[in-house]
Amino acid sequence: KAGVTQTPRYLIKTRGQQVTLSCSPISGHRSVSWYQQTPGQGLQFLFEYFSETQRNKGNFPGRFSGRQFSNSRSEMNVSTLELGDSALYLCASSLAPTYGGGRDFGAGTRLSVL
Amino acid sequence: AQTVTQSQPEMSVQEAETVTLSCTYDTSENNYYLFWYKQPPSRQMILVIRQEAYKQQNATENRFSVNFQKAAKSFSLKISDSQLGDTAMYFCAFMKHGTGGGADGLTFGKGTHLIIQP
Repeated sequence: KAGVTQTPRYLIKTRGQQVTLSCSPISGHRSVSWYQQTPGQGLQFLFEYFSETQRNKGNFPGRFSGRQFSNSRSEMNVSTLELGDSALYLCASSLAPTYGGGRDFGAGTRLSVL
Repeated sequence: AQTVTQSQPEMSVQEAETVTLSCTYDTSENNYYLFWYKQPPSRQMILVIRQEAYKQQNATENRFSVNFQKAAKSFSLKISDSQLGDTAMYFCAFMKHGTGGGADGLTFGKGTHLIIQP
């Protein structure tokens, strides 16, 4: 089966710009969650979407937003980029938010903010 | 909120040896899931093994097994007959049962960098 696909793999932006990251889940998976990975803070949960609705949200400012489409694909948007937003952004999919079998992760999008 | 602690930032062992990675967690929840994920240099996180807190039997997947001590809130990963391909970052993760993790999602430890030497 095809895995979780994230595009683009790399992005370079400047402070103040906005960026949109895309995630296509595994076929049949309806839950998509996003994580930020940095050397200092490690892996932190951003939010989770299921059936086009945000079900859970981590402790990130409102500049970080997302959405999910009817085909379960998800996008994450970061507005007014700051240097500290430089990170690896990982998308994960699962059958449902409550599924305890683990999440399947994509390879990530590396965002660099200059 | 939950916390997950991995006290070994880096470990190095010889190929074919057995290695144990430590993980402790803190939670007031009674039902939850625990996971070990592997992140090789390619960056793709791969699920290695999972454990349901209400199951007393330790999970096993081929060369990978866990020692789950619920009362001690400990969840260590043992890798037997280690191989060069096991070289990666290993993350311990926690998820509350029934809510998809709620506002915490998956809570990860800081990771252990495991190096398998030839």
